[in-house]
Parts: sequence; C-alpha cells; structure tokens
Amino acid sequence: GENVEQHPSTLSVQEGDSAVIKCTYSDSASNYFPWYKQELGKGPQLIIDIRSNVGEKKDQRIAVTLNKTAKHFSLHITETQPEDSAVYFCAAEPQTGANNLFFGTGTRLTVIP
Amino acid sequence: DGGITQSPKYLFRKEGQNVTLSCEQNLNHDAMYWYRQDPGQGLRLIYYSQIVNDFQKGDIAEGYSVSREKKESFPLTVTSAQKNPTAFYLCATQGLSTDTQYFGPGTRLTVL
Repeated sequence: GENVEQHPSTLSVQEGDSAVIKCTYSDSASNYFPWYKQELGKGPQLIIDIRSNVGEKKDQRIAVTLNKTAKHFSLHITETQPEDSAVYFCAAEPQTGANNLFFGTGTRLTVIP
Repeated sequence: DGGITQSPKYLFRKEGQNVTLSCEQNLNHDAMYWYRQDPGQGLRLIYYSQIVNDFQKGDIAEGYSVSREKKESFPLTVTSAQKNPTAFYLCATQGLSTDTQYFGPGTRLTVL
C-alpha cells in the first residue's frame, strides 16, 4: 500500500519568515495530494490540494509543489503569522477507486511572534 | 467541520465496555470514514463506507465495528476487543464527484 513520510516533525519560525514542509510517497499511482491544518482539539481542515496533472498551486500565502518523478510534494507558507501555528498533515490518494487517503505523521509548526 | 457532527466530544470508558461514537452529516455525501489519531502519528483508517448498507475494513479495523443504515449516519462501536482504545477519533465524509474529505470535530475516548 501507499506509504507517506513527512518532515520535519516540528518546525519553529519567526513571524514573517517562510515555512516549508516536505512529504514523500511510495505509490506512483497516487494522483491526489491534500494538505490539512489541525488546531488543538479540533478536526483537520483542508487548506490546499494538488492533483498529479499539476506541478504547483497557490492560494494567497500558501503554495504546494509536486514532483511526480521524485514522488515528493511540499507545502510552502510565506509571511507566516502566529495563527498559522498548528499541526499540518500531508496525504496521498492512490488511484484505486476507493478514495482512501494515506496520511503523513504531521508537522507541528510554531510561529514565534 | 461544517455539516459534520460528532458526539460526544469527550468519552470515558471502563475496561471491558463497548462504546459507540456518533457521526452525523447533512452534506449529502455518499462516503464516510472513521480514522484514529494517536499522539505523534498520522491518521489511520478504521472503516469506510461508500454507500448505504455497505462498508469496508481499513488498516486497523480489529476491535471496531460500524453500521451504515442511513446515508447521514455512520456510528463506530469500540468493542472490548480493542486492546488500546484511548485515542482521538475522527469522522470524515466525501462527495461522489470530489476527492476532498471533510472532517468532523472529533471524539476523544479515554479508557479508565
């Protein structure tokens, strides 16, 4: 099955700096890659996603890049703000028809004011 | 969260007891999922259902059971056979024409 690895597990940045979180996946058939933000005690919220026919996608301060050849994808947050502090999860969905997501282990991002 | 409710928010269980976690949605989504989240780990799939009266085991189904009698509801029962049930349980839904899964607010289960 699919295996998703996520790095780093913790990340601290100064407010205004950029943050980058990286994930690798094992199944070359995976074609959908969402990123979720989870605040303490809450359910994950989708913040951005990308499909395998696209190399990069942006939404204001958030961007995701995908390298299908290397089987890795990254989340980029620019101009970080204290409210960006949370746990971020990447996921991959193999093209099996079951629509099952395989998640990374999460990155705890802390933005220092 | 919007449109997905999970109850209760906190649940305490004595060893040997079965407990049922509720998940209800008004998004008219066909697919529903149950995940387990442990500290420092990603979400792991317990069970999923793509249509009413049908469900499939995920990666860690042992000690759990589900039912899908209505499109809106997908309750999860944690049985006494689950050896380490203390965790945060998340329900998710997905529409037919989309890849996106939407999560509920979660239920934190603690075994005393």
